[in-house]
Amino acid sequence: GAGVSQSPRYKVAKRGQDVALRCDPISGHVSLFWYQQALGQGPEFLTYFQNEAQLDKSGLPSDRFFAERPEGSVSTLKIQRTQQEDSAVYLCASSFSVTFFTGTFGSGTRLTVV
Amino acid sequence: GIQVEQSPPDLILQEGANSTLRCNFSDSVNNLQWFHQNPWGQLINLFYIPSGTKQNGRLSATTVATERYSLLYISSSQTTDSGVYFCAGGSGGGADGLTFGKGTHLIIQP
Repeated sequence: GAGVSQSPRYKVAKRGQDVALRCDPISGHVSLFWYQQALGQGPEFLTYFQNEAQLDKSGLPSDRFFAERPEGSVSTLKIQRTQQEDSAVYLCASSFSVTFFTGTFGSGTRLTVV
Repeated sequence: GIQVEQSPPDLILQEGANSTLRCNFSDSVNNLQWFHQNPWGQLINLFYIPSGTKQNGRLSATTVATERYSLLYISSSQTTDSGVYFCAGGSGGGADGLTFGKGTHLIIQP
């Protein structure tokens, strides 16, 4: 596609529910990033994939967060047993290069945990 | 990790005014970028500028890497410039996640 596509655009989850957020990167982009943006804050790095390999997951806030990119294209961020503090916008970005990032961000998924 | 501080946090200007946004970072960065987040939440990359000066239309940016700061200049502001401007830095190459500042919320009034 022309840009990074994320779905759903909005998600309301009850506390304790599991959610899955999808990211379709730009075709051919090797690098894929997930960021979490709380209200009024800048995005915070969660995890990085190079093709299907998850090379950095140091930003994942707890073991309830899990990301995968099994075929090196579409990625899914899963959050188990959601809590209110997980409410945020989750942004996905992809980049062609692995040597420098001037990639493209998706519009994000706004997750609200009630 | 790297700390990124942006100033001012908020800025309200009349259409046509010029503005300067500042970004200070706590350590050397090899990857410094400016982004604009529009009111719909879309993050748009403005500049990749680890050092030097770049210009793109009414926008320009300067990074003084030795002094660990970067400036974003907006000239002849338009209402469509409104939104949040983020500076983000990384110490490594493209595989390193960026550390974002808290942003400057810019409102351009007609």
